[in-house]
Amino acid sequence: EIVLTQSPGTLSLSPGEGATLSCRASQSVSRSDLAWYQQRPGQSPRLLIYGPSSRASGIPDRFSGSGSGTDFTLAISRLEPEDFAVYYCHQFGSSPPTFGQGTRLEIK
Amino acid sequence: QVQLVQSGPELKKPGASVKVSCRASGYTFTSFGITWVRQAPGQGLEWMGWISGYNRNANYAQKLQGRVTMTTDTSASTAYMELRSLKSDDTAVYFCARGSGYELLDSWGQGTLVTVSS
Repeated sequence: EIVLTQSPGTLSLSPGEGATLSCRASQSVSRSDLAWYQQRPGQSPRLLIYGPSSRASGIPDRFSGSGSGTDFTLAISRLEPEDFAVYYCHQFGSSPPTFGQGTRLEIK
Repeated sequence: QVQLVQSGPELKKPGASVKVSCRASGYTFTSFGITWVRQAPGQGLEWMGWISGYNRNANYAQKLQGRVTMTTDTSASTAYMELRSLKSDDTAVYFCARGSGYELLDSWGQGTLVTVSS
């Protein structure tokens, strides 16, 4: 099973700043088999980024993804209040699919 | 638009079973799989398994093998997840999502809270 380790566990930033979230895999993951989700409090997860740099429908261009092999990154520029949430990476190229433990982005 | 609507919250005693439904609309049900993911209170996402909307083949997480069954009713565009022999650590919000075990999950249900308590 591929283990995804996200860092940092919690990121404290102010609106307007930029954020960089990391997802490291225990084995190589195909670029096309990695996605990122956002989960706001009390809500379901929402697909943000896949492939790993394509934005899902309706996702603003402040969100971008990159990476390959075992290291993937989600970047958020110019943080808006609604961006403060938990973010999960997800690999689905190797069975079983797995999720990272999440990074909590909180308002400083 | 794609929509997944789940059944309501459940309160169960240890040892009981629960069956959660997930009604799909806005797309051809048989063209996509349905994945089930759960989230214990304050915890992350745990993949439970998935079922094909086409041929009803299912694949389960190893830790749940023998306790979980996923089914579909194609005529009702509805997927079901049954979990048996419930324990307190099965207390979680259960989500269904569109996508197979080899795909991203592009639409999610609203979640169903299952509480296991004596």
